[in-house]
Amino acid sequence: SQQGEEDPQALSIQEGENATMNCSYKTSINNLQWYRQNSGRGLVHLILIRSNEREKHSGRLRVTLDTSKKSSSLLITASRAADTASYFCATARGFKTIFGAGTRLFVKA
Amino acid sequence: GAGVSQSPSNKVTEKGKDVELRCDPISGHTALYWYRQSLGQGLEFLIYFQGNSAPDKSGLPSDRFSAERTGGSVSTLTIQRTQQEDSAVYLCASSLTPQGANEQYFGPGTRLTVT
Repeated sequence: SQQGEEDPQALSIQEGENATMNCSYKTSINNLQWYRQNSGRGLVHLILIRSNEREKHSGRLRVTLDTSKKSSSLLITASRAADTASYFCATARGFKTIFGAGTRLFVKA
Repeated sequence: GAGVSQSPSNKVTEKGKDVELRCDPISGHTALYWYRQSLGQGLEFLIYFQGNSAPDKSGLPSDRFSAERTGGSVSTLTIQRTQQEDSAVYLCASSLTPQGANEQYFGPGTRLTVT
């Protein structure tokens, strides 16, 4: 089964609003990454948070990690129509990276 | 610099035929991964190469699937006797090193349709 499970499966918001996506996982990890995918093609790496970190920022992105709850969240602030995409969390243990099923975000202009 | 490239971008084949999918990783990246993504789903790990080490084939769904990586660079994923359930987007990714599963750089994928 997939290591990472995203929630919600789909999210629709208005431009300017914040979008929050959650990810839960099952086993211990080295790090957790978030990726974005447009139009079912290649994924683009957004941010990596290590297991000893609790929060990380990159531009309009904020990621938190709670290893005690085995969960992470991705917050996109002041969303734009161009943020419409699928977002995946990926957990790494050793060399292997396991991807969740993703959250489909739709930002309405 | 050049990113990960994959060819062909689209492939339509008849059930029972063999197909070869190609991946050119970023130069200098020692780790290479193949994934499969069915419509609206997450990524399914298929196989992983690291340098000259034996690949991790634990994700290959059946013995019809095989992959090789020549000279530590280009990789080919071969699917023999294709079935309709093989229809998916096949994604290749590379990373500088596999340590801690660093950031992976993805190619645009090959969309395979088996009719």
